[in-house]
Amino acid sequence: EADIYQTPRYLVIGTGKKITLECSQTMGHDKMYWYQQDPGMELHLIHYSYGVNSTEKGDLSSESTVSRIRTEHFPLTLESARPSHTSQYLCASSDSGAAASTDTQYFGPGTRLTVL
Amino acid sequence: LAKTTQPISMDSYEGQEVNITCSHNNIATNDYITWYQQFPSQGPRFIIQGYKTKVTNEVASLFIPADRKSSTLSLPRVSLSDTAVYYCLVGDMDSNYQLIWGAGTKLIIKP
Repeated sequence: EADIYQTPRYLVIGTGKKITLECSQTMGHDKMYWYQQDPGMELHLIHYSYGVNSTEKGDLSSESTVSRIRTEHFPLTLESARPSHTSQYLCASSDSGAAASTDTQYFGPGTRLTVL
Repeated sequence: LAKTTQPISMDSYEGQEVNITCSHNNIATNDYITWYQQFPSQGPRFIIQGYKTKVTNEVASLFIPADRKSSTLSLPRVSLSDTAVYYCLVGDMDSNYQLIWGAGTKLIIKP
């Protein structure tokens, strides 16, 4: 079973607040990802990282930012939350060092964000 | 830029075998086919992955024809707990790829 953690699980916050969603993995995986998913809809990649000091934007434009200072930690920050940011945010990691054919993504439980 | 096509939803009954087919007409030579399962309010979970022919593990089988333009996830003897959304993805694991997640197939198992 994969060890990837997200906190908080649920967050209700007012407009304009700065928030950071935490994601940590203990598997030593190089690649990490942030997805945004609305209820009943598909996952959209918003950020990813290939390793320390590497961050890239995904296919869905997002006002959030990420950092990757340590291998195990990939936090996502919203400087000023808005109601349009209300969604579920899923963090994932995968091992690029193993055989390339087994680049399985392991997901955390998600953070459900509600911005009032 | 969707790379896969799956049925939006399927129904079945407990104890039945369920087959979900995914089309990926533009699959590239280096692409692998991976299936994930997602329960409500949880992140997706890896089920099975394959490149060609047949792959089987403790929870499912994956059938891939020679042309690799489609694949079929087979769930034997489903139970109510198999009710979930199932995603089919293709991707090149050797390059800096981005997996594209479609809407998946919502599978509902009835008693």
